[in-house]
Amino acid sequence: NAGVTQTPKFQVLKTGQSMTLQCAQDMNHEYMSWYRQDPGMGLRLIHYSVGAGITDQGEVPNGYNVSRSTTEDFPLRLLSAAPSQTSVYFCASSYGVLLEGTEAFFGQGTRLTVV
Amino acid sequence: AQSVTQLDSQVPVFEEAPVELRCNYSSSVSVYLFWYVQYPNQGLQLLLKYLSGSTLVKGINGFEAEFNKSQTSFHLRKPSVHISDTAEYFCAVPRGGSQGNLIFGKGTKLSVKP
Repeated sequence: NAGVTQTPKFQVLKTGQSMTLQCAQDMNHEYMSWYRQDPGMGLRLIHYSVGAGITDQGEVPNGYNVSRSTTEDFPLRLLSAAPSQTSVYFCASSYGVLLEGTEAFFGQGTRLTVV
Repeated sequence: AQSVTQLDSQVPVFEEAPVELRCNYSSSVSVYLFWYVQYPNQGLQLLLKYLSGSTLVKGINGFEAEFNKSQTSFHLRKPSVHISDTAEYFCAVPRGGSQGNLIFGKGTKLSVKP
């Protein structure tokens, strides 16, 4: 099983450039999320999706867009990169509502540097 | 509203010593709690989870955690650590509502020295 696959693993962008971070899962999970990890901040939720065609904002959505056209894929778009978006980005998926105790599975992360 | 507090940002210990990583939570919904581990330059991996039942939960790699409702705590313990346990550890609770995502603590970096 591939699980949750993120590409690329590393990326350097110039300020103002746009790019898409890819996330794919092969577990037929309905729920998918994007987090960013910054030193001393833990992981913070950017956007999430509860199924194909349904997305919503998390804790830190500004500067990012998402879409969910299929169950498998959940890309994260940076519209105009800023140095404050330098971070490690993680995609996660889960079978169901975590309040019912299901587990979230994480990708290996994308390390993004904006110069 | 849900929240998680990890009381120690860094914990240095010597190999074969016991360790406790502390986590306190606040939740207005049914309590489910998770510990995740992140090894250097890797993603997050589930260590253990508390759903209900026994308050002592055993996880992978010899870790265990104890749920204490009166103290709203879910501390992670290991009786004897190894160099390979060097990692960052995150306590988490499910975000309220119908979303399938988590609220994380800020993490505790465990550094095991020989």
